[in-house]
Amino acid sequence: KNEVEQSPQNLTAQEGEFITINCSYSVGISALHWLQQHPGGGIVSLFMLSSGKKKHGRLIATINIQEKHSSLHITASHPRDSAVYICAVTGTASKLTFGTGTRLQVTL
Amino acid sequence: GAVVSQHPSRVICKSGTSVKIECRSLDFQATTMFWYRQFPKQSLMLMATSNEGSKATYEQGVEKDKFLINHASLTLSTLTVTSAHPEDSSFYICSARARQGAQGYTFGSGTRLTVV
Repeated sequence: KNEVEQSPQNLTAQEGEFITINCSYSVGISALHWLQQHPGGGIVSLFMLSSGKKKHGRLIATINIQEKHSSLHITASHPRDSAVYICAVTGTASKLTFGTGTRLQVTL
Repeated sequence: GAVVSQHPSRVICKSGTSVKIECRSLDFQATTMFWYRQFPKQSLMLMATSNEGSKATYEQGVEKDKFLINHASLTLSTLTVTSAHPEDSSFYICSARARQGAQGYTFGSGTRLTVV
C-alpha cells in the first residue's frame, strides 16, 4: 500500500462543476502539499498545509490531521484547470512522498 | 515568488554520450536541491538530494556514478546523465528548498530526455 493514496485517479468534469480530489496518507507528516502538473510537465506548488484550510482563488485545500486526510476543491471549474493534481507529504526526513496523481479533464 | 529555472527543457542525445541538466534558483538561495525522475503517467521518484557544498545523498537503487549531481553554489545544481542509454529516457525535474527547515518547495520546469 502506498504511503500516499489519491482518489480518483482520473476525473472528467464539465465547465462550472465543483471538483473534489482526495488524499489519504499513512505516515506522520510535517506538512502536506498540493501540486499541479501541466501537460508540459512543469509543476506548480498550490498549497502547503499543516492544519485547517487554505483558499487561493477558486482553489480550497483542507486537511484533517487526526484522520490523515486532505481534500483539494476546485470551484467553478474551467478547462484551464485541466492538469494532474498531485498530493505530496513531507515527513521527518524533509523529503516529499508523492501520491500517484489525479488526472483532471474539464470540458466545455 | 521563488523561481527555479531548469535547462534544457528537451534534449535528444545519442547512446553513450553524457547530458547535463541545470537548475538555477533565480531569486533565492537554494541550500537543498532535489532531483526527480518521472516515467509516463507515473508519480515522481526522488533520485537524490543535494546540499550546497556537500556530496549528494542518493536514493536506493540510483547509481551515483551514472547520475552525477553537483551543487557547487547556492543558486546552481546540475545533474549529469553519463553514458546515456535509451532506458535513461525520462522526464527529469528538480525542486529547491530555500533554507534548512523551510517546508515550501519550488519546482523547475523539467527536462525531457530522449536517448536514441
